Amino acid sequence: DGGITQSPKYLFRKEGQNVTLSCEQNLNHDAMYWYRQDPGQGLRLIYYSQIVNDFQKGDIAEGYSVSREKKESFPLTVTSAQKNPTAFYLCASQRRGSGYEKLFFGSGTQLSVL
Amino acid sequence: AQSVTQLDSQVPVFEEAPVELRCNYSSSVSVYLFWYVQYPNQGLQLLLKYLSGSTLVKGINGFEAEFNKSQTSFHLRKPSVHISDTAEYFCAVKSYSGAGSYQLTFGKGTKLSVIP
Repeated sequence: DGGITQSPKYLFRKEGQNVTLSCEQNLNHDAMYWYRQDPGQGLRLIYYSQIVNDFQKGDIAEGYSVSREKKESFPLTVTSAQKNPTAFYLCASQRRGSGYEKLFFGSGTQLSVL
Repeated sequence: AQSVTQLDSQVPVFEEAPVELRCNYSSSVSVYLFWYVQYPNQGLQLLLKYLSGSTLVKGINGFEAEFNKSQTSFHLRKPSVHISDTAEYFCAVKSYSGAGSYQLTFGKGTKLSVIP
């Protein structure tokens, strides 16, 4: 079955450490997204990519970086510059085209600071 | 900037009772409207969407929503809730932001708790 896989499910970061969250999809979708979810805040867009080798900053990109070397993969790195990284991170993908295509979400990664 | 307001952060309701989760948006241009559901420790799943046409949209799990353009609302309803409906519900609005781009904005979510 097609879908989006995020790993790991839980991740711990030490002070000053960079960590990378994995997101892989086998839906043949062009567009991929990273959202951050904090309690009571809804979803906020970190980065998105509409096509391989291209990505754009979302609303809260500071302290994060991404790459899109393959269509299937869109890893997110939380850098040491992100001072408040504890959150639930959601990856999503979408078939490129008109604006009404639904998002397919992964099951998320909970990142916590040690 | 577009905004989405979900007026209730938490809604408790007894099993088999009806429920309405409210959503208002600010965009003045044509919009696409969505409701997503999130079960604990999972990603979001699409419940239903409004693109055009009939203002009453039916989704999965017995949910429906009504688009009201004059009130810029897209409230979600279910006539009789089940324990399994306990989850967080997100309203989302997508509008054209120019240069071939669409902006998708999520509300802050409403936690529905169904009481046995």
